[in-house]
Amino acid sequence: GAVVSQHPSRVICKSGTSVKIECRSLDFQATTMFWYRQFPKQSLMLMATSNEGSKATYEQGVEKDKFLINHASLTLSTLTVTSAHPEDSSFYICSARESGGARGEQYFGPGTRLTVT
Amino acid sequence: AQSVTQLGSHVSVSEGALVLLRCNYSSSVPPYLFWYVQYPNQGLQLLLKYTTGATLVKGINGFEAEFKKSETSFHLTKPSAHMSDAAEYFCAVSDGSGGYNKLIFGAGTRLAVHP
Repeated sequence: GAVVSQHPSRVICKSGTSVKIECRSLDFQATTMFWYRQFPKQSLMLMATSNEGSKATYEQGVEKDKFLINHASLTLSTLTVTSAHPEDSSFYICSARESGGARGEQYFGPGTRLTVT
Repeated sequence: AQSVTQLGSHVSVSEGALVLLRCNYSSSVPPYLFWYVQYPNQGLQLLLKYTTGATLVKGINGFEAEFKKSETSFHLTKPSAHMSDAAEYFCAVSDGSGGYNKLIFGAGTRLAVHP
């Protein structure tokens, strides 16, 4: 089946530093990847849609200069949280849509727990 | 615009009892509907999906859901709950706009299973 990995699974960083999270589709090509943020006991909030070879599309209210997304290949997208602050602490989940896949079908990564101290 | 409503943020059942998690949607286009399960500190796992065709959809772990257009519902059921079913469940509808196929998620339902 389609597998999506994320690295790292957990990261702790100091306030003001930047953190990069990788999302990889392991056994399929993903022209589109999605980045979500999930607060404790809440649903997933879509942050941005990442398309290979083009600029990401950010959802309303998401700062594109703070959450940098790069989709450099058909199997890799990265999310960089710049100048992280404690309020950026959250669970970040990526998903990938297989090229030619059914409408809406996404495969999710295991998530990355970011803690900013 | 698409939206999803999950009735009941918490559902508690006894082991062996019927599981019923409710999901209602609104969609301006024929909907594609999904149920995902999330265990603590993990990503989402697809339980089942409805795209077209048969309205009763069977998924993994004994779950099934029925698409009812007249009721705009896609409720998730399982005849007999197991302790391992305790998790968070999310219903989602595909945003049919553009080419990006975004998912619109409900708020989630936490299922507790007690002995």
